[in-house]
Amino acid sequence: GAVVSQHPSRVICKSGTSVKIECRSLDFQATTMFWYRQFPKKSLMLMATSNEGSKATYEQGVEKDKFLINHASLTLSTLTVTSAHPEDSSFYICSASLGDQPQHFGDGTRLSIL
Amino acid sequence: EDQVTQSPEALRLQEGESSSLNCSYTVSGLRGLFWYRQDPGKGPEFLFTLYSAGEEKEKERLKATLTKKESFLHITAPKPEDSATYLCAVQVAGDFNKFYFGSGTKLNVKP
Repeated sequence: GAVVSQHPSRVICKSGTSVKIECRSLDFQATTMFWYRQFPKKSLMLMATSNEGSKATYEQGVEKDKFLINHASLTLSTLTVTSAHPEDSSFYICSASLGDQPQHFGDGTRLSIL
Repeated sequence: EDQVTQSPEALRLQEGESSSLNCSYTVSGLRGLFWYRQDPGKGPEFLFTLYSAGEEKEKERLKATLTKKESFLHITAPKPEDSATYLCAVQVAGDFNKFYFGSGTKLNVKP
C-alpha cells in the first residue's frame, strides 16, 4: 500500500523554539497533503490542506503565521510550528493523496513544548 | 450541515464475539466513504473505500458495507489484535479535497 513517512516522530523542545515537521509520500506523487492535529482520545482536527506549488488553505481558527506550511514538491510537505508554546503540544499527523484517491497517513509527530 | 457520526464511542468484546460499528453521514453529496484503523501513537491506516450504496469490501475479519445514509464495519470473530480505534471519513462529491472524519470507535477485544 501507499507509504507516507513523517519525521521526526517525537520532538521535545523549549518554549519559543520553532519546530519543522516533514511529510513525504514515498511511493506516489501526492497532489494534496493534509495536516491534522489530534488531542488525546479525540478524532483528527484538520488544520490545513495544501496542493503542490500553491499556498495552503487553512481551516477556520488555525493561525497561518503560527503554522507555516510548505508544499514544494509532489512528495514533500513541511509544517513549521513557529515560536512554539506549551499549548502547541499535541500529536500532529500528515496525510497525502493523489487526485480523488484515499488519504494515506504518516505515523504522526508527538510535539512536547516545555 | 455536513457531518459524520460514529457509534458506539467505545466497544468491548470478548475474543470471538462478532459485532458491528456504525458510521452515519449527512453530506451534500458522497464521493466516497473510507474506513481507517488507528493504533495508539500511530497515524490512521487505510482499510477500505466504498463508493456506492450496496457496495461491500472485505479484508480478513472485517467487512464494510454502505447504504445511502450509513456504513457498517462488521467484525467477525475478533481477536485481541483487532483492538484499535476505527475511524470513518466521508469525501464530498465535487470537492475531493473535502473530507469529514467521525470521532471514531475504540474497540477493545479481550482474550
